[in-house]
Amino acid sequence: AQSVTQLDSQVPVFEEAPVELRCNYSSSVSVYLFWYVQYPNQGLQLLLKYLSGSTLVKGINGFEAEFNKSQTSFHLRKPSVHISDTAEYFCAVSARIGSGYSTLTFGKGTMLLVSP
Amino acid sequence: GAGVSQTPSNKVTEKGKYVELRCDPISGHTALYWYRQSLGQGPEFLIYFQGTGAADDSGLPNDRFFAVRPEGSVSTLKIQRTERGDSAVYLCASSLSSGGSYNEQFFGPGTRLTVL
Repeated sequence: AQSVTQLDSQVPVFEEAPVELRCNYSSSVSVYLFWYVQYPNQGLQLLLKYLSGSTLVKGINGFEAEFNKSQTSFHLRKPSVHISDTAEYFCAVSARIGSGYSTLTFGKGTMLLVSP
Repeated sequence: GAGVSQTPSNKVTEKGKYVELRCDPISGHTALYWYRQSLGQGPEFLIYFQGTGAADDSGLPNDRFFAVRPEGSVSTLKIQRTERGDSAVYLCASSLSSGGSYNEQFFGPGTRLTVL
Protein backbone atom coordinates (compact mmCIF):
# COMPACT_ATOMS: atom_id res chain seq x y z
CA ALA A 1 0.00 0.00 0.00
CA GLN A 2 1.03 3.58 -0.55
CA SER A 3 0.91 6.55 1.78
CA VAL A 4 1.53 10.27 1.45
CA THR A 5 2.65 12.69 4.14
CA GLN A 6 2.27 16.43 3.80
CA LEU A 7 4.17 17.79 6.74
CA ASP A 8 2.59 21.25 6.82
CA SER A 9 -1.14 21.72 7.24
CA GLN A 10 -0.84 25.45 6.61
CA VAL A 11 1.83 27.64 5.00
CA PRO A 12 1.48 31.42 5.29
CA VAL A 13 3.55 33.50 2.89
CA PHE A 14 3.69 37.05 1.60
CA GLU A 15 2.91 37.89 -2.00
CA GLU A 16 5.90 37.64 -4.37
CA ALA A 17 7.84 35.48 -1.89
CA PRO A 18 8.99 31.98 -2.83
CA VAL A 19 7.23 28.96 -1.39
CA GLU A 20 7.86 25.23 -0.96
CA LEU A 21 5.15 22.74 -0.02
CA ARG A 22 6.57 19.46 1.22
CA CYS A 23 5.44 15.98 0.29
CA ASN A 24 6.90 12.60 1.22
CA TYR A 25 5.55 9.25 0.12
CA SER A 26 5.92 5.61 1.03
CA SER A 27 5.58 2.74 -1.43
CA SER A 28 7.12 -0.66 -1.99
CA VAL A 29 6.82 -0.29 -5.78
CA SER A 30 7.49 2.39 -8.36
CA VAL A 31 5.05 5.27 -8.32
CA TYR A 32 3.56 8.11 -10.28
CA LEU A 33 3.36 11.39 -8.33
CA PHE A 34 0.96 14.31 -8.57
CA TRP A 35 0.10 17.68 -7.14
CA TYR A 36 -3.49 18.90 -7.23
CA VAL A 37 -4.90 22.30 -6.27
CA GLN A 38 -8.36 22.90 -4.84
CA TYR A 39 -9.80 26.41 -4.81
CA PRO A 40 -12.70 27.11 -2.42
CA ASN A 41 -15.88 25.29 -3.43
CA GLN A 42 -14.27 23.85 -6.53
CA GLY A 43 -13.06 20.43 -7.61
CA LEU A 44 -9.46 19.28 -7.78
CA GLN A 45 -7.30 20.54 -10.62
CA LEU A 46 -4.07 18.84 -11.67
CA LEU A 47 -1.04 21.13 -11.25
CA LEU A 48 1.65 18.74 -12.43
CA LYS A 49 2.65 15.10 -12.53
CA TYR A 50 5.73 12.92 -12.57
CA LEU A 51 5.40 9.74 -14.62
CA SER A 52 8.97 9.10 -15.77
CA GLY A 53 11.97 10.87 -17.25
CA SER A 54 13.29 14.18 -15.93
CA THR A 55 12.89 14.47 -12.19
CA LEU A 56 12.15 18.20 -12.43
CA VAL A 57 8.57 18.66 -13.52
CA LYS A 58 6.99 21.95 -14.54
CA GLY A 59 3.27 22.52 -14.21
CA ILE A 60 0.67 25.20 -14.63
CA ASN A 61 0.67 28.62 -12.97
CA GLY A 62 4.47 28.68 -12.59
CA PHE A 63 4.67 25.72 -10.20
CA GLU A 64 7.34 23.03 -10.39
CA ALA A 65 8.25 19.94 -8.38
CA GLU A 66 11.25 17.68 -8.10
CA PHE A 67 11.08 13.92 -7.66
CA ASN A 68 13.75 12.67 -5.28
CA LYS A 69 13.71 8.89 -5.18
CA SER A 70 16.34 8.50 -2.46
CA GLN A 71 14.44 10.82 -0.14
CA THR A 72 11.03 9.64 -1.35
CA SER A 73 9.97 13.25 -1.74
CA PHE A 74 8.11 15.33 -4.30
CA HIS A 75 8.17 18.90 -3.00
CA LEU A 76 6.24 21.64 -4.81
CA ARG A 77 7.85 25.04 -5.39
CA LYS A 78 7.03 28.42 -6.83
CA PRO A 79 9.59 31.25 -6.98
CA SER A 80 7.05 34.07 -6.54
CA VAL A 81 3.49 33.55 -5.33
CA HIS A 82 0.39 35.62 -6.05
CA ILE A 83 -2.68 36.27 -3.94
CA SER A 84 -4.59 34.06 -6.38
CA ASP A 85 -2.44 31.06 -5.39
CA THR A 86 -4.28 30.91 -2.07
CA ALA A 87 -5.80 27.42 -2.08
CA GLU A 88 -5.46 23.89 -0.70
CA TYR A 89 -2.74 21.78 -2.31
CA PHE A 90 -2.78 17.99 -2.30
CA CYS A 91 0.04 15.62 -3.08
CA ALA A 92 -1.00 12.21 -4.42
CA VAL A 93 0.62 8.93 -5.46
CA SER A 94 -0.38 6.10 -7.75
CA ALA A 95 1.50 2.83 -7.67
CA ARG A 96 2.65 1.13 -10.86
CA ILE A 97 1.10 -2.33 -10.93
CA GLY A 98 2.12 -4.56 -13.82
CA SER A 99 1.13 -2.74 -17.00
CA GLY A 100 -1.31 -0.52 -15.14
CA TYR A 101 -1.51 1.54 -11.98
CA SER A 102 -3.45 1.89 -8.77
CA THR A 103 -5.98 4.52 -7.86
CA LEU A 104 -4.79 7.73 -6.23
CA THR A 105 -3.77 7.99 -2.59
CA PHE A 106 -3.83 11.57 -1.33
CA GLY A 107 -2.11 13.41 1.47
CA LYS A 108 -4.10 15.49 3.95
CA GLY A 109 -3.39 18.71 2.10
CA THR A 110 -1.52 21.96 2.73
CA MET A 111 -3.38 25.25 2.85
CA LEU A 112 -1.31 27.97 1.17
CA LEU A 113 -2.25 31.40 2.51
CA VAL A 114 -0.83 34.31 0.50
CA SER A 115 -1.15 37.75 2.02
CA PRO A 116 -0.29 41.21 0.62
CA GLY B 1 -16.05 20.60 -23.71
CA ALA B 2 -18.08 19.74 -20.63
CA GLY B 3 -16.25 18.48 -17.59
CA VAL B 4 -17.36 16.06 -14.91
CA SER B 5 -20.62 17.16 -13.35
CA GLN B 6 -22.13 16.10 -10.03
CA THR B 7 -25.62 16.56 -8.66
CA PRO B 8 -26.79 17.77 -6.30
CA SER B 9 -24.08 20.22 -5.27
CA ASN B 10 -25.39 20.14 -1.71
CA LYS B 11 -27.51 17.57 0.08
CA VAL B 12 -28.81 17.83 3.62
CA THR B 13 -30.49 14.79 5.08
CA GLU B 14 -31.47 13.33 8.41
CA LYS B 15 -29.77 10.43 10.14
CA GLY B 16 -31.17 7.14 8.94
CA LYS B 17 -32.33 8.40 5.53
CA TYR B 18 -31.28 7.09 2.12
CA VAL B 19 -29.41 9.32 -0.36
CA GLU B 20 -28.27 9.09 -3.96
CA LEU B 21 -25.45 11.13 -5.45
CA ARG B 22 -25.04 11.36 -9.21
CA CYS B 23 -21.95 11.72 -11.37
CA ASP B 24 -21.85 12.52 -15.10
CA PRO B 25 -18.36 11.77 -16.45
CA ILE B 26 -16.67 13.34 -19.43
CA SER B 27 -18.02 11.81 -22.62
CA GLY B 28 -15.89 8.90 -23.78
CA HIS B 29 -14.21 8.30 -20.44
CA THR B 30 -14.50 4.62 -19.56
CA ALA B 31 -13.03 4.83 -16.07
CA LEU B 32 -14.96 6.49 -13.23
CA TYR B 33 -13.87 6.99 -9.63
CA TRP B 34 -15.59 7.98 -6.39
CA TYR B 35 -13.69 9.60 -3.51
CA ARG B 36 -14.81 10.95 -0.15
CA GLN B 37 -13.22 14.05 1.37
CA SER B 38 -13.91 14.60 5.06
CA LEU B 39 -13.26 17.95 6.69
CA GLY B 40 -9.54 18.65 6.95
CA GLN B 41 -8.57 15.51 5.05
CA GLY B 42 -7.49 14.61 1.57
CA PRO B 43 -9.79 12.66 -0.73
CA GLU B 44 -10.05 8.95 0.08
CA PHE B 45 -10.76 6.38 -2.60
CA LEU B 46 -14.12 4.59 -2.44
CA ILE B 47 -14.71 2.71 -5.70
CA TYR B 48 -13.72 2.68 -9.34
CA PHE B 49 -15.52 1.47 -12.44
CA GLN B 50 -14.08 0.33 -15.73
CA GLY B 51 -17.08 0.47 -18.03
CA THR B 52 -20.15 -0.92 -16.25
CA GLY B 53 -18.35 -3.07 -13.73
CA ALA B 54 -16.82 -2.14 -10.39
CA ALA B 55 -13.14 -3.00 -10.87
CA ASP B 56 -12.18 -2.10 -7.31
CA ASP B 57 -14.60 -1.38 -4.44
CA SER B 58 -12.08 -1.88 -1.65
CA GLY B 59 -12.54 1.68 -0.38
CA LEU B 60 -16.25 1.42 0.42
CA PRO B 61 -16.39 1.75 4.22
CA ASN B 62 -19.25 -0.71 4.82
CA ASP B 63 -22.28 -2.32 3.19
CA ARG B 64 -24.38 0.83 3.57
CA PHE B 65 -22.48 2.23 0.60
CA PHE B 66 -23.15 1.02 -2.93
CA ALA B 67 -22.49 2.41 -6.39
CA VAL B 68 -23.73 1.55 -9.86
CA ARG B 69 -22.92 2.48 -13.43
CA PRO B 70 -25.46 0.49 -15.46
CA GLU B 71 -24.72 1.86 -18.93
CA GLY B 72 -21.06 2.66 -18.50
CA SER B 73 -21.59 6.41 -18.31
CA VAL B 74 -23.52 8.03 -15.44
CA SER B 75 -22.83 6.63 -11.99
CA THR B 76 -24.86 6.82 -8.78
CA LEU B 77 -23.43 6.47 -5.30
CA LYS B 78 -26.06 5.22 -2.88
CA ILE B 79 -25.87 5.48 0.89
CA GLN B 80 -28.40 3.67 3.07
CA ARG B 81 -29.24 4.50 6.70
CA THR B 82 -27.04 7.57 6.68
CA GLU B 83 -25.01 8.41 9.78
CA ARG B 84 -23.56 11.72 10.92
CA GLY B 85 -20.09 10.36 10.16
CA ASP B 86 -21.04 10.12 6.48
CA SER B 87 -21.00 13.91 6.24
CA ALA B 88 -18.31 14.83 3.72
CA VAL B 89 -17.74 16.04 0.18
CA TYR B 90 -18.13 13.20 -2.30
CA LEU B 91 -15.95 13.65 -5.37
CA CYS B 92 -16.26 11.93 -8.69
CA ALA B 93 -13.51 11.69 -11.31
CA SER B 94 -13.28 10.16 -14.76
CA SER B 95 -10.48 9.22 -17.12
CA LEU B 96 -9.81 7.36 -20.33
CA SER B 97 -9.19 3.65 -19.82
CA SER B 98 -7.31 2.97 -16.60
CA GLY B 99 -5.06 0.34 -18.15
CA GLY B 100 -1.68 0.82 -19.79
CA SER B 101 -0.06 4.25 -19.75
CA TYR B 102 -1.35 6.66 -17.14
CA ASN B 103 -4.48 8.66 -17.96
CA GLU B 104 -5.29 11.80 -16.01
CA GLN B 105 -8.29 11.78 -13.71
CA PHE B 106 -10.55 14.81 -14.13
CA PHE B 107 -12.53 15.74 -11.03
CA GLY B 108 -16.02 17.09 -10.63
CA PRO B 109 -16.90 19.88 -8.15
CA GLY B 110 -18.25 17.40 -5.62
CA THR B 111 -21.44 16.92 -3.64
CA ARG B 112 -21.40 18.20 -0.08
CA LEU B 113 -23.43 15.79 2.05
CA THR B 114 -24.56 16.87 5.50
CA VAL B 115 -26.26 14.35 7.77
CA LEU B 116 -28.10 15.96 10.68
